[in-house]
Amino acid sequence: SAVISQKPSRDICQRGTSLTIQCQVDSQVTMMFWYRQQPGQSLTLIATANQGSEATYESGFVIDKFPISRPNLTFSTLTVSNMSPEDSSIYLCSGGTEGDEQYFGPGTRLTVT
Amino acid sequence: GQNIDQPTEMTATEGAIVQINCTYQTSGFNGLFWYQQHAGEAPTFLSYNVLDGLEEKGRFSSFLSRSKGYSYLLLKELQMKDSASYLCASVDSNYQLIWGAGTKLIIKP
Repeated sequence: SAVISQKPSRDICQRGTSLTIQCQVDSQVTMMFWYRQQPGQSLTLIATANQGSEATYESGFVIDKFPISRPNLTFSTLTVSNMSPEDSSIYLCSGGTEGDEQYFGPGTRLTVT
Repeated sequence: GQNIDQPTEMTATEGAIVQINCTYQTSGFNGLFWYQQHAGEAPTFLSYNVLDGLEEKGRFSSFLSRSKGYSYLLLKELQMKDSASYLCASVDSNYQLIWGAGTKLIIKP
């Protein structure tokens, strides 16, 4: 199993600023993902974080808005850039290996005013 | 294409049994997950089915039929703490999860 931590757990940010969310896994995982979840809705995959290379983004998400880093197998960051109120959401990091479950971090609750 | 469907909401009585269905269309299918998510918390793993059949784990069981593109989660002896959203997610050929919208389960005394 893997334990995933995220920080910050929550933040309130002003429009136009940027926030970087950190995700740390306590063991090496081959795959790490970033999701967004609106209240009462399911998870929307933002991107797959690839170690040492550019992340793979899903339709509707771009690197300029959501730059992602993954310098090693246990750590990744997601930046929400030039924020607007529409970016208010819960951002979840997950990690796992092929054929195994994905473990989730506790999430970062972001409010943009 | 990729598609996954599950009911939006279900209601059941404490002590009873409930079955939450999930249908999927996933290219390069590599299995199906069920997760439980309480409000304000991250999803937690319940089950992972790759082969056809029923897998039982305590009060929870999960079934998969690959030929029918169908799975269900069966919850027995329901407790109030089982009130949560239940998310099914299929695994595609790249081992990415394709998530259903989730089923909100309401347990009544």
